[in-house]
Amino acid sequence: AQKVTQAQTEISVVEKEDVTLDCVYETRDTTYYLFWYKQPPSGELVFLIRRNSFDEQNEISGRYSWNFQKSTSSFNFTITASQVVDSAVYFCALSEADSNYQLIWGAGTKLIIKP
Amino acid sequence: GAGVSQSPRYKVAKRGQDVALRCDPISGHVSLFWYQQALGQGPEFLTYFQNEAQLDKSGLPSDRFFAERPEGSVSTLKIQRTQQEDSAVYLCASSLDGGGAETQYFGPGTRLLVL
Repeated sequence: AQKVTQAQTEISVVEKEDVTLDCVYETRDTTYYLFWYKQPPSGELVFLIRRNSFDEQNEISGRYSWNFQKSTSSFNFTITASQVVDSAVYFCALSEADSNYQLIWGAGTKLIIKP
Repeated sequence: GAGVSQSPRYKVAKRGQDVALRCDPISGHVSLFWYQQALGQGPEFLTYFQNEAQLDKSGLPSDRFFAERPEGSVSTLKIQRTQQEDSAVYLCASSLDGGGAETQYFGPGTRLLVL
C-alpha cells in the first residue's frame, strides 16, 4: 500500500499564477515527520520543509506555504505568484519511527511554469 | 559549510562489472542513508547507518549490493556483477541526529548506467 500519494503527475501553469501541490500520507505511527523536497533539472534534491506530527501549524516562507491537516492526512504545498525558476519535480516524503526514519517518498509532481 | 558530496558523479559500467560509489556526508552527521532513484520515479530506500553501524539494510535489492561506513564518516555502496536493472541515480543523504529523525540533506547523486 502506497504510504505517500501525490496524485498530480504533472501541473503546468503560467507564471504568476498560484499553484497547489497535493500530498496525502498514510501511517499508524503517532510520531512521524513530513517533508517536501524540490528536484530541479540538475537533479539534486533540495530540502524545503520538515514538519512533525505534533505541529499542525501552517507555515509560510516567502512565496511558499504549507497546509498540514491531520484530519485528512494531507500536507499540501502552495506556491504563490509562481516563477519560471520554480519549475522542478516536487516530492513529498514521510518518515516514521517504525521504519527507522527512512524517507518514504511520493512519486513526485512535475511542475512546469510557463513564461 | 560543505554539503554532502558523492563520487563519481557519473559511472558507466559493462554488465557484470563491479562498481563502488562513494559518499562524504556533512561533517558531524551521525546518520547516513542511501537511496536509489530510477528515472521518473521517487527515491527508494536502500540502507541506513548510524555512525559505523548499519542498522537497516532492508532496502538493498539483492546480495549483490553491499554498503559500509567503517569509520562512521565516509560510506561506500558497492554493487557486484552489475545488471542493466541497476541503472539509476544513487543518492546519499546525511542527518545530524543519531536517531535519523532530523532532516536528511542530499548529495548530487551518482548516475549509474549499466550497458
